[in-house]
Amino acid sequence: RKEVEQDPGPFNVPEGATVAFNCTYSNSASQSFFWYRQDCRKEPKLLMSVYSSGNEDGRFTAQLNRASQYISLLIRDSKLSDSATYLCVVKEVKGGGNKLTFGTGTQLKVEL
Amino acid sequence: DGGITQSPKYLFRKEGQNVTLSCEQNLNHDAMYWYRQDPGQGLRLIYYSQIVNDFQKGDIAEGYSVSREKKESFPLTVTSAQKNPTAFYLCASSIALGGGYNEQFFGPGTRLTVL
Repeated sequence: RKEVEQDPGPFNVPEGATVAFNCTYSNSASQSFFWYRQDCRKEPKLLMSVYSSGNEDGRFTAQLNRASQYISLLIRDSKLSDSATYLCVVKEVKGGGNKLTFGTGTQLKVEL
Repeated sequence: DGGITQSPKYLFRKEGQNVTLSCEQNLNHDAMYWYRQDPGQGLRLIYYSQIVNDFQKGDIAEGYSVSREKKESFPLTVTSAQKNPTAFYLCASSIALGGGYNEQFFGPGTRLTVL
């Protein structure tokens, strides 16, 4: 089983749609959770951290379920500019240090 | 402007040659990292450094070497021992390596192609 697993997509949605991405992780000792966004042929950039109580940033809502080891990202009223790959990222303790483990990403295409 | 720079953006290398990728940051971050990204795969950690003159192997260190002589700089050498070096290489930095929600900031990346 992959350490961080995501549906690769692509998700093709019309502008204005609501879309949800899911992510599961295998290490129950994982400490921190993030969603990064990566545009085509560019570097990843932090979209938002994911907190236990769930958190919202404008049109974006992130949820964490530690019992099920599951993270989600909801995008409301999607825009053309939301088209990108969304990376689920988990920070875990490994070998005495902390490391980030990246999912393979879910591709979103928002269309007119 | 604070940030991370990587050079060159595109790099072509002949098989059997070593090549060094540059990474510089002016964010005053202690921790720096090197990842590679291949199509259909997540980012994989090559090496990381918590402090000057110290670095640790990541998950796929074989065929790579690094140095950390200055806080701002963390160059990566791809040696001829690396079996499949063609990839997108990303350098990142963060305030510290520790736990919590320390964001990693990424440079623009270097695309290495072995001919």
